[in-house]
Amino acid sequence: GDSVTQMEGPVTLSEEAFLTINCTYTATGYPSLFWYVQYPGEGLQLLLKATKADDKGSNKGFEATYRKETTSFHLEKGSVQVSDSAVYFCALSGRNTGNQFYFGTGTSLTVIP
Amino acid sequence: GAVVSQHPSWVICKSGTSVKIECRSLDFQATTMFWYRQFPKQSLMLMATSNEGSKATYEQGVEKDKFLINHASLTLSTLTVTSAHPEDSSFYICSAREVGRIEAFFGQGTRLTVV
Repeated sequence: GDSVTQMEGPVTLSEEAFLTINCTYTATGYPSLFWYVQYPGEGLQLLLKATKADDKGSNKGFEATYRKETTSFHLEKGSVQVSDSAVYFCALSGRNTGNQFYFGTGTSLTVIP
Repeated sequence: GAVVSQHPSWVICKSGTSVKIECRSLDFQATTMFWYRQFPKQSLMLMATSNEGSKATYEQGVEKDKFLINHASLTLSTLTVTSAHPEDSSFYICSAREVGRIEAFFGQGTRLTVV
C-alpha cells in the first residue's frame, strides 16, 4: 500500500545552518505530496505542497521538489532560525488513497542560537 | 482563509463519562473531515473519515461505538468519546478538506485527559 518514509530525528542544528529532511514515498498512481509542520501543543499547518513530478513547493524559505524518479520529496531550507523548531511531517494523498492522507513518522527539529 | 477550528483545546474528564469534540471549518465547506489520534512524539493515526450526510468510515481497530463521529453539516463534524477511560487519553486532531482542493487543513487539536 501507499506509505511515506521519513528521516528519523531528532535533528539539532545551529541557527543559520542548512536543513535537509529526507522523505521518500511508495504509491500507486501519482499522489500529491505535502510537508506539514507542528508546533508544540498545536495541530498541523500546511507548509508546502506539490501535485506532480518536478513541481517545487516553497514557503517561508522551505523548499521541496517532487522527484518521481527517486520517489522523494526532501525538505530543505538554506538558513534555519530558532523559530523553525518544530516537528515536520511528510505526507501523501491522492485518488488511489481514497483522498486520505498518509503521514511519515515526523522529524523533530531543534534549532539552537 | 481555510481555517479549521477545533474545540475544546483541552479537556479533563472522569472515567466513564463522555466527551464531545467539535471541528468546524470557518471559511469553507468541508465535504470530508478526518479524525486523527496522536500519541506523544508519534505520528498521526487516522481514526476515521467522515463525509457530510453519511456514516463515517472507521479505520481497522477503531471502535465505532466508542468513538462516535457525526458530520451533520458542511462545516461541522463532532467526535464523541463515549465512556472514556484513561487509555483514551490522547491528543485528537481533526482536518477538513474542501471540494476541489487537494490539501487538508487541520484544527489545533484537543488534549483529552481521562482521570
